Amino acid sequence: QVQLVESGGGVVQPGRSLRLSCAASGFTFRNYGMHWVRQAPGKGLEWVAIISYDGNDKYYADSVEGRFTISRDNSKSTLFLQMNSLRGEDTAVYYCAKDATVYGVPLPLDTWGQGTLVTVSS
Amino acid sequence: DIQLTQSPSTLSASVGDRVTITCRASQTISSWLAWYQQKPGKAPKLLIYKASSLESGVPSRFSGSGSGTEFTLTISSLQPDDFATYYCQQYNSYSTWTFGQGTKVEIK
Repeated sequence: QVQLVESGGGVVQPGRSLRLSCAASGFTFRNYGMHWVRQAPGKGLEWVAIISYDGNDKYYADSVEGRFTISRDNSKSTLFLQMNSLRGEDTAVYYCAKDATVYGVPLPLDTWGQGTLVTVSS
Repeated sequence: DIQLTQSPSTLSASVGDRVTITCRASQTISSWLAWYQQKPGKAPKLLIYKASSLESGVPSRFSGSGSGTEFTLTISSLQPDDFATYYCQQYNSYSTWTFGQGTKVEIK
């Protein structure tokens, strides 16, 4: 079955870095764009970043632009989020999600991982 | 950037009630709107895409409507499993995706 499994979360001090991973299975990973979405404790969903199926196009939310980098390894069906200069407001559960868009027809996020918690605290 | 505003923020209802949630976009997004359901401690689940298309496996009591800037999610007869938080999301722009702030459906 289609599955996304995040890893790499944990407690990190402000200003430090962390790298999240998302292992995909059950679908042809290289054919789909992928996203990171986060949710601060008790808050709503916030879109973080998108990467195109081939990794050539990347876009970020203003709140993380210049600090976070999304990437992918299609040979290993894995998505990454490199988070630098972390701040307290980056504390959240981070979800990876599959963009269902195919053949140029826009579609939303049809598969989500279980999430990984990142806590930024001294 | 496109902003999405959901109303109400919280909704109290009983089993069997008809429930409607509204999502307003700050500019037109055609029909590029999705609805998600999220339960505590769980990932969001896609319910509706392209404003009114039901995702496979989602019960038919869920329906969506609207286009442009005004959208609604309707649950025709609320079931115990439907108490959750609902989010709208626009995907009109490939480079910027936005969620509404969420609507919590509580037991009355």
